Amino acid sequence: DQQVKQNSPSLSVQEGRISILNCDYTNSMFDYFLWYKKYPAEGPTFLISISSIKDKNEDGRFTVFLNKSAKHLSLHIVPSQPGDSAVYFCAASESNSGYALNFGKGTSLLVTP
Amino acid sequence: EAQVTQNPRYLITVTGKKLTVTCSQNMNHEYMSWYRQDPGLGLRQIYYSMNVEVTDKGDVPEGYKVSRKEKRNFPLILESPSPNQTSLYFCASSFKGLADTQYFGPGTRLTVL
Repeated sequence: DQQVKQNSPSLSVQEGRISILNCDYTNSMFDYFLWYKKYPAEGPTFLISISSIKDKNEDGRFTVFLNKSAKHLSLHIVPSQPGDSAVYFCAASESNSGYALNFGKGTSLLVTP
Repeated sequence: EAQVTQNPRYLITVTGKKLTVTCSQNMNHEYMSWYRQDPGLGLRQIYYSMNVEVTDKGDVPEGYKVSRKEKRNFPLILESPSPNQTSLYFCASSFKGLADTQYFGPGTRLTVL
């Protein structure tokens, strides 16, 4: 059963606007969350992470928000650029039970000029 | 250059013919893992290793074996490949574990006929 869900398979945003990618999880024991970005024919690359002790983490144009009560996190990209067009994977882990990492199915973001 | 390498990048084989996909990292990372990516299913973890001689199952370990005899290498072994193992495979490594950035290899596209 999918424990990390990205319910939007795709998203299209105009250049300069905000992109918001959403992720929901079902396992309340997850305490570390990551976002990865993947271009075609390449491996995923780490983008940003957040621990459950925080509700926000920011890195340049990228901000991740965590709502533990709703078991929801989101990735905001502001402003969006055409080079941001990629597949974005949300991932979660339960750090006390080992090192397994659970990924969502990914959201394909297209930023149009 | 810090990197994770995988070989081969592409492989077409037949059912039942044992194969090994190699993974090597030059960053002295302790943690390594294998994922498979399938359409509509995202990235799923197959096996991971916290250090030399320490491995554990991920979400989808059936039909796969791994070994970690030295820190830099983490081969994925398919003793008797079947068509449902046709997939895109990624190896990843990080210094300590999930709290650190995982670096992914470029991927191995495997087709089992």
